[in-house]
Amino acid sequence: AQSVTQLDSHVSVSEGTPVLLRCNYSSSYSPSLFWYVQHPNKGLQLLLKYTSAATLVKGINGFEAEFKKSETSFHLTKPSAHMSDAAEYFCVVSKAAGNKLTFGGGTRVLVKP
Amino acid sequence: GAVVSQHPSWVICKSGTSVKIECRSLDFQATTMFWYRQFPKQSLMLMATSNEGSKATYEQGVEKDKFLINHASLTLSTLTVTSAHPEDSSFYICSARGPGTEYGYTFGSGTRLTVV
Repeated sequence: AQSVTQLDSHVSVSEGTPVLLRCNYSSSYSPSLFWYVQHPNKGLQLLLKYTSAATLVKGINGFEAEFKKSETSFHLTKPSAHMSDAAEYFCVVSKAAGNKLTFGGGTRVLVKP
Repeated sequence: GAVVSQHPSWVICKSGTSVKIECRSLDFQATTMFWYRQFPKQSLMLMATSNEGSKATYEQGVEKDKFLINHASLTLSTLTVTSAHPEDSSFYICSARGPGTEYGYTFGSGTRLTVV
């Protein structure tokens, strides 16, 4: 079985300040981990993915995430938030061999000017 | 890049009628497609997984006779909500995975269904 916990349901940051979205996972095998972003009434866009290669993963739009096996974490960060980063973010886990995705509860990011 | 087109983007229907949602992979062959449901301000819940040419596998608690899934070709999967009721109102999202895109899941833009 696999599960994902996003530790914050809402995160509020000021434009230009760092963003940290926390994610912990539980998996009985070596997982693949993803971060997706969803803007209102839209589908999901892949930000980045970890698939047992480098533990520090760089994604699009300046986001990056670090896989820490000892902490079972995969936190998402960005050094400087933009207004366009306001959206819902999902941490997702799947089996290393692919197939079914399990979603975290989501973190809604608000960016203040 | 891989593109998945989902249609319609929104639909309003009367209670008791059926609604069909289409999910097409435009530039790759989708051997596996997934259908999700998302309630307001909540996460995505997997409803079913469909492989081309075979019956869909439904998640526990999802009524297969109510949510009919057809994956007749490598580029098209459909979800039909039969005898829709107001509680079926939700945001439905499809996702497709191709044979050569390991860990590559491409999502459609979603369909907002409102049953009145």
